[in-house]
Amino acid sequence: QVQLVESGGGVVQPGRSLRLSCAASGFIFSIYGMHWVRQAPGKGLEWVAAILHDGSLKYYADSVKGRFTISRDNSKNTLYLQMNSLRPDDTAVYFCAKPVPGDPPQAIDYWGQGTLVTVSS
Amino acid sequence: DIQMTQSPSSLSASVGDRVTITCRASQDISNSLAWFQQKPGKAPKSLIYAASSLQSGVPSKFSGSGSGTDFTLTISSLQSEDFATYYCQQYKSYPLTFGGGTKVEIK
Repeated sequence: QVQLVESGGGVVQPGRSLRLSCAASGFIFSIYGMHWVRQAPGKGLEWVAAILHDGSLKYYADSVKGRFTISRDNSKNTLYLQMNSLRPDDTAVYFCAKPVPGDPPQAIDYWGQGTLVTVSS
Repeated sequence: DIQMTQSPSSLSASVGDRVTITCRASQDISNSLAWFQQKPGKAPKSLIYAASSLQSGVPSKFSGSGSGTDFTLTISSLQSEDFATYYCQQYKSYPLTFGGGTKVEIK
């Protein structure tokens, strides 16, 4: 069965960096694009970034462009989100998500359980 | 960017009720529309993709319809496990965008 397990969240000071990981299993990771989606406390869902199956193309929300970098290691079945210059409004639960098969962008069918990032001094 | 507007933002309903949630896109997205259910403290669950196709394992009481700019999610007979927040999302183009959510509460 598909499993997505995020890790790397925690409390970090404004301006610092953090790297999230998402370990994937139960499907052929290397043929799927992947997404990061976040949810601030008490708020709705916000798409953050996406990457093609081979890492050749990456897409970002304006709110994180230039600060966050999505990447992947298909040999390790792992998705990453490098977050730099963190701000208090980046505080959120970060989910990794897998889309259905097909040319991107495609609908999400599986979600990880999420990892909480808190940006606070 | 494509804006997604959901209505209502919340609703109260009783077990057994038929519930309809609407989602409007700011431009034509064809049928590139998904619906998600989220319960407090949990990850979202995918319900529908391509506006009307049920994800694997989703019960048939959920149905979706629409194309272009106007879409609906219908729950035919609300059960206790269906009380949650529902989100629509367009995946026609990047950046992907979500509606603001509809919280379905017990009357």
